[in-house]
Amino acid sequence: GENVEQHPSTLSVQEGDSAVIKCTYSDSASNYFPWYKQELGKRPQLIIDIRSNVGEKKDQRIAVTLNKTAKHFSLHITETQPEDSAVYFCAPLRKTSYDKVIFGPGTSLSVIP
Amino acid sequence: SAVISQKPSRDICQRGTSLTIQCQVDSQVTMMFWYRQQPGQSLTLIATANQGSEATYESGFVIDKFPISRPNLTFSTLTVSNMSPEDSSIYLCSVVAVGYEQYFGPGTRLTVT
Repeated sequence: GENVEQHPSTLSVQEGDSAVIKCTYSDSASNYFPWYKQELGKRPQLIIDIRSNVGEKKDQRIAVTLNKTAKHFSLHITETQPEDSAVYFCAPLRKTSYDKVIFGPGTSLSVIP
Repeated sequence: SAVISQKPSRDICQRGTSLTIQCQVDSQVTMMFWYRQQPGQSLTLIATANQGSEATYESGFVIDKFPISRPNLTFSTLTVSNMSPEDSSIYLCSVVAVGYEQYFGPGTRLTVT
């Protein structure tokens, strides 16, 4: 089955700095690469995703880059703000096998004002 | 997007009893999932709730312990049976949208004493 890892497990940055979280996966057939944000006490919410036919996608301060050859994709947050503090999960999958979604272990991001 | 509600939002139960969690979606969806999230941990898929057929359970989860119903395309229930303190967790239902992104319910926080 899919093996998903995230690095780092915790990340602390100063407000205004950038943050990068990396997700590595084992299933070479994965073709959908989402990132979810979970604030304390709240439900996970999709913040950005990328399909396997593109290498990068950007939405304001957040971006996702994909390296299918190396089997990893990364979340980039620029100009971090305190409200970016949360746990971030990746969940790569094959769109034809949605019953096998494996969430990464999560990365706890703290943005220090 | 999909709007998902869950009931109850939280409960405190005695060991040996059972609790049924309800999940309601505001639109018809094919794929509905139940997850467990223990404090500080990632999301673990319990089962996929299929309309008109038995649920598909992940390794480590069995129907006798976590019976699931899916009577129609907008509703599902998860029962946690014969509870023990180890079942204390947050239980979330989730649906998949057309674009493969997942939406989560607000969760049910269960404490077993």
